[in-house]
Amino acid sequence: SQTIHQWPATLVQPVGSPLSLECTVEGTSNPNLYWYRQAAGRGLQLLFYSVGIGQISSEVPQNLSASRPQDRQFILSSKKLLLSDSGFYLCAWSVPPAYEQYFGPGTRLTVT
Amino acid sequence: AQSVAQPEDQVNVAEGNPLTVKCTYSVSGNPYLFWYVQYPNRGLQFLLKYITGDNLVKGSYGFEAEFNKSQTSFHLKKPSALVSDSALYFCAVRVKDSNYQLIWGAGTKLIIKP
Repeated sequence: SQTIHQWPATLVQPVGSPLSLECTVEGTSNPNLYWYRQAAGRGLQLLFYSVGIGQISSEVPQNLSASRPQDRQFILSSKKLLLSDSGFYLCAWSVPPAYEQYFGPGTRLTVT
Repeated sequence: AQSVAQPEDQVNVAEGNPLTVKCTYSVSGNPYLFWYVQYPNRGLQFLLKYITGDNLVKGSYGFEAEFNKSQTSFHLKKPSALVSDSALYFCAVRVKDSNYQLIWGAGTKLIIKP
């Protein structure tokens, strides 16, 4: 069966510090991978998605970036965090032709 | 433009009563529709989907959803609510001709009172 891991689970970082969040998927090959941010426990904002190694599409211009160095690894990064980067970050995967996405447990990021 | 709406910010239901969480959509072509549930500080869990076929779709935890093409709706239902059903529910629709992206509703908070 497939599983998805995210770490860390929680993170408190000062403004201006770097960020690296990691997501890995097990039990499947060639998944589509997604990074979402959820603010205030409500709506989902798609940040990045990837259909293959090294292929990243950005949905929202911001100071975040994403990379996919391996087939089942997706990394969200920032060189300098802003207060507005605080939120709940969710990684998800799907395997075409299915559209349903499966989510990881999330990372709660607080920028102070 | 494709969109999905969840008109209720919050729904309150007494335990044991039937529940409905509403979702309406606007898409071109055939809609692919999804429901997810999120418990506090957790990731989203897939409940069910409608792609084609029977208008009544059954999913996890006793939930079902009814697809209504004329009303462009996909309401989530359960015959008898449990306190443990209290959570945040999201409706989503696929983005046509996309790389498998979904458009998400704003979410509806469901509160089941004992």
